[in-house]
Amino acid sequence: DGGITQSPKYLFRKEGQNVTLSCEQNLNHDAMYWYRQDPGQGLRLIYYSQIVNDFQKGDIAEGYSVSREKKESFPLTVTSAQKNPTAFYLCASSIAQRGVQYFGAGTRLSVL
Amino acid sequence: DQQVKQNSPSLSVQEGRISILNCDYTNSMFDYFLWYKKYPAEGPTFLISISSIKDKNEDGRFTVFLNKSAKHLSLHIVPSQPGDSAVYFCAASGTASKLTFGTGTRLQVTL
Repeated sequence: DGGITQSPKYLFRKEGQNVTLSCEQNLNHDAMYWYRQDPGQGLRLIYYSQIVNDFQKGDIAEGYSVSREKKESFPLTVTSAQKNPTAFYLCASSIAQRGVQYFGAGTRLSVL
Repeated sequence: DQQVKQNSPSLSVQEGRISILNCDYTNSMFDYFLWYKKYPAEGPTFLISISSIKDKNEDGRFTVFLNKSAKHLSLHIVPSQPGDSAVYFCAASGTASKLTFGTGTRLQVTL
């Protein structure tokens, strides 16, 4: 089955801790994206990558970091610099630039 | 600066009737528009899209209309079914690969 897998489904972060959210896709898509959703708001773009070993900041990149060492993987690290990390995080991929984006099931991050 | 706006946070429609969800945008560089459906605690699923060279695109019960002069698009669902109850997001893209999303409209289809 082709798709996008995000793990874990739920994650808890202690103050001052960095945590990493996993995103893997087996769709052979070139582009991958990370979004954050807060209650009552739309999806806001954190980072995106159009090709391996390259990525760009989105609208709210502060306090986050990413890597794209493999085509199928695009992990997101929520650093201790992100002061309000509690949110629902969504990973997406698309076959090409400006194509339809397909989403994973999301990771809900909470602060202990 | 909200470049994509969904001004109705919620909508209630009877089963079998038409649901009309609206979306406005401000960026004239947007030329590709999409609608996504989202259930709680799940990722959005793609429904239908439209390019700015068209003014209508239809897929089964779903039709998207684009009015470029008004910078307005709408999603029509006919007939509405209880399983359509979800949050609907419109999204837009321009020359960059990223999508800009609206804040969503919660649709409830009642029996």
